[in-house]
Amino acid sequence: DVKVTQSSRYLVKRTGEKVFLECVQDMDHENMFWYRQDPGLGLRLIYFSYDVKMKEKGDIPEGYSVSREKKERFSLILESASTNQTSMYLCASSLATQPQHFGDGTRLSIL
Amino acid sequence: EDKVVQSPLSLVVHEGDTVTLNCSYEVTNFRSLLWYKQEKKAPTFLFMLTSSGIEKKSGRLSSILDKKELSSILNITATQTGDSAIYLCAGEVGTASKLTFGTGTRLQVTL
Repeated sequence: DVKVTQSSRYLVKRTGEKVFLECVQDMDHENMFWYRQDPGLGLRLIYFSYDVKMKEKGDIPEGYSVSREKKERFSLILESASTNQTSMYLCASSLATQPQHFGDGTRLSIL
Repeated sequence: EDKVVQSPLSLVVHEGDTVTLNCSYEVTNFRSLLWYKQEKKAPTFLFMLTSSGIEKKSGRLSSILDKKELSSILNITATQTGDSAIYLCAGEVGTASKLTFGTGTRLQVTL
């Protein structure tokens, strides 16, 4: 079974902090994705990556960056957290042309 | 801009009822349509549809794609309380493995 692991289920940070969300997959998938999920807005793509050190902007990249130094790990970085980044963050991975598999999500609160 | 619309937004049915969830899409370079089920945590994959008119089935769940109408339906027969969840539909962009999600249909099955 595919396992996508997100480092924290719940996280509380303060405005202006630099926040790191980590995601690890164990299936040698080349594609990895970061989404945020908000009520009424569904899942929106922040960034994705096809390979190590490669990244592409999704639909809402502003205020975020990513890092992929190893194939199995994809990190989402909030450079200076703001209250409007309070959300559920979901990581996913996939092989090309195959369905994405999701982690359990990190519920992030910015105070 | 890619767009996926799901209807209804929410639905309450009695156990044993049959339900039909709808999804329409406008996706650039469309490759496939995916359905996911989300309970409290990670969305779990249900179906991936690439060919029009071919029904995919898994137990009491089935789904079909209509490329002419740019739509898909998800049917659940003999609903059970365990079917209560948010059902997500997503269109895949062919060149990028990117998914554009709808906002989901919240299904509640009551006794």
